[in-house]
Amino acid sequence: EPEVTQTPSHQVTQMGQEVILRCVPISNHLYFYWYRQILGQKVEFLVSFYNNEISEKSEIFDDQFSVERPDGSNFTLKIRSTKLEDSAMYFCASKIGTSGGELFFGEGSRLTVL
Amino acid sequence: EDKVVQSPLSLVVHEGDTVTLNCSYEVTNFRSLLWYKQEKKAPTFLFMLTSSGIEKKSGRLSSILDKKELFSILNITATQTGDSAIYLCAGPLNSGGSNYKLTFGKGTLLTVNP
Repeated sequence: EPEVTQTPSHQVTQMGQEVILRCVPISNHLYFYWYRQILGQKVEFLVSFYNNEISEKSEIFDDQFSVERPDGSNFTLKIRSTKLEDSAMYFCASKIGTSGGELFFGEGSRLTVL
Repeated sequence: EDKVVQSPLSLVVHEGDTVTLNCSYEVTNFRSLLWYKQEKKAPTFLFMLTSSGIEKKSGRLSSILDKKELFSILNITATQTGDSAIYLCAGPLNSGGSNYKLTFGKGTLLTVNP
């Protein structure tokens, strides 16, 4: 069964460092998303991406965050200068099209900022 | 602001019990409501509901939507220890076009004891 894959599964970094989280969405999907879940809290929307551009972003997704799809398969989330409060599980998700349908989530990348 | 509220926040039952999980939502532009199961990491899709009064079933799980009352329930009959998880309710609530930004509830933590 096709699935969304994410790497790394866990990353530990020092405050102020840059991190890149990688995702390979399901191959025929057109819409890509990043969500995050701080331990014990709700899953929160960060950003949606379609047709090689951001279609919507939340207040959380400030200038420290960026996304790109450099090669048509990988979808990356970059955090330029990590803060302690960026520690969370980051989920990549993809969806096939516009007419409803489920969002498929990856297994997540746990980011720990020390 | 769109809201998704789940209850109870946690529930402990014995194997074989039937449980009902609740989800209410406040929305300005309802499109659909989704249920996910979150075990250790990624939310996995259970149901998507768009029409009132039509029950969706998958094995021992079923769900129904009441668009008039802005409410959905998820039923699990003959619970098993493998049903222990966080059950998330979510909707692409105030998101126009194809953005499909999901707003999640806090989830219901279900623990099924042998």
